[in-house]
Amino acid sequence: EVQLLESGGGVVQPGGSLRLSCAASGFTFNYAMSWVRQAPGKGLQWVSGISGSGGSTYYADSVKGRFTISRDNSKNTLYLQMNSLRAEDTAVYYCAKGTISGPGRYYFDYWGQGTLVSVSS
Amino acid sequence: DIQMTQSPSTLSASVGDRVIITCRASQSISTWLAWYQQKPGKAPKILIYQASSLESGVPSRFSGSGSGTEFTLTISSLQPDDFATYYCQHYNSYSGYTFGQGTKLEIK
Repeated sequence: EVQLLESGGGVVQPGGSLRLSCAASGFTFNYAMSWVRQAPGKGLQWVSGISGSGGSTYYADSVKGRFTISRDNSKNTLYLQMNSLRAEDTAVYYCAKGTISGPGRYYFDYWGQGTLVSVSS
Repeated sequence: DIQMTQSPSTLSASVGDRVIITCRASQSISTWLAWYQQKPGKAPKILIYQASSLESGVPSRFSGSGSGTEFTLTISSLQPDDFATYYCQHYNSYSGYTFGQGTKLEIK
């Protein structure tokens, strides 16, 4: 059974940092992975993605230069380092497993339960 | 950037109804479109990928169609478990993964 378990969320002051983790199990951890967030009462927003090898990374414009996605395939774990946090980064952050649908195109077939990040003074 | 626009934003329907949700892309995205269902407090669940392919385990009352810029999600006969929020998503590593704003399906 595929499982994705996020951790690392919490309350942080504006300008602060947090590192989210997503522990994966139940599948060979060589799939593309992504982080998707959802602000309270709002819709879904893709944040960042990484290829199976970790060699390619992608970011939404809103987080480029502030967030860094990475993975440790030996630990079956995905990470999101979030720096210079802003109030508008407040959201539930989900990790999602990508399944290939075409060249460079992955839809998300499994999602974690999410971890809440709250940026507030 | 590609924008995805869903309509309607809210839809009231009854059990047994046939409902259609529309998603429009700001430019052609071929068939690189997925549909997700999300219930309150839960993670999204994949329903349809590549515009019309039904994910394994998803009931056959769900179907998707379209290509280019216009797409639809159809639920042929609403069941009580289907009342949720639905999102379309364009997926492409190179240009990003853009979600529509969501359609909340409510009980009439």
